[in-house]
Amino acid sequence: SQKIEQNSEALNIQEGKTATLTCNYTNYSPAYLQWYRQDPGRGPVFLLLIRENEKEKRKERLKVTFDTTLKQSLFHITASQPADSATYLCALTNDYKLSFGAGTTVTVRA
Amino acid sequence: DTAVSQTPKYLVTQMGNDKSIKCEQNLGHDTMYWYKQDSKKFLKIMFSYNNKELIINETVPNRFSPKSPDKAHLNLHINSLELGDSAVYFCASSQVSGPTNEQFFGPGTRLTVL
Repeated sequence: SQKIEQNSEALNIQEGKTATLTCNYTNYSPAYLQWYRQDPGRGPVFLLLIRENEKEKRKERLKVTFDTTLKQSLFHITASQPADSATYLCALTNDYKLSFGAGTTVTVRA
Repeated sequence: DTAVSQTPKYLVTQMGNDKSIKCEQNLGHDTMYWYKQDSKKFLKIMFSYNNKELIINETVPNRFSPKSPDKAHLNLHINSLELGDSAVYFCASSQVSGPTNEQFFGPGTRLTVL
């Protein structure tokens, strides 16, 4: 069966450090992968999209990698700040639908 | 100025009732979606409309009926509500239907069925 697994439910890090989140998938062949941020009580907000032929994508302090051989995407937040505290969701495109992982909740301590 | 809005934000109702959730987007997008986020935080697509036409209909009980009066609106009507329908329902939109299009989500409607 198809699965999207995000490494852990929660990640606690010190301000200034790099947070690394993992998204692993099985029985999908996505051409694109997206990352979203969700704050409590709000809808997800789009952050980045990466294509299968792109190894890496950056946006400000965010970096995403996509390894179709390992069936994995890594999401990095560098120089993390307390304002980065949120749940981060990976999403795969599959038959023109987005399929989401359960998310990883990141807490950045000051 | 809200891009994707939903009403109501909270909905508490008894089992067996019928209820509706409304969604409007002012982004000029062609495609709209309904998602359900359960207590385990999984976000699952339910329906998608492109220019008022249904293009995605996941395995959703037929008690759920979407309706798109125009491309800026996608409403969700739920008949005979059950306890398991309790969840947060999100409306979203994207410029066109397709895998590269980022989706813009509304604030969600928290439905509680008692």
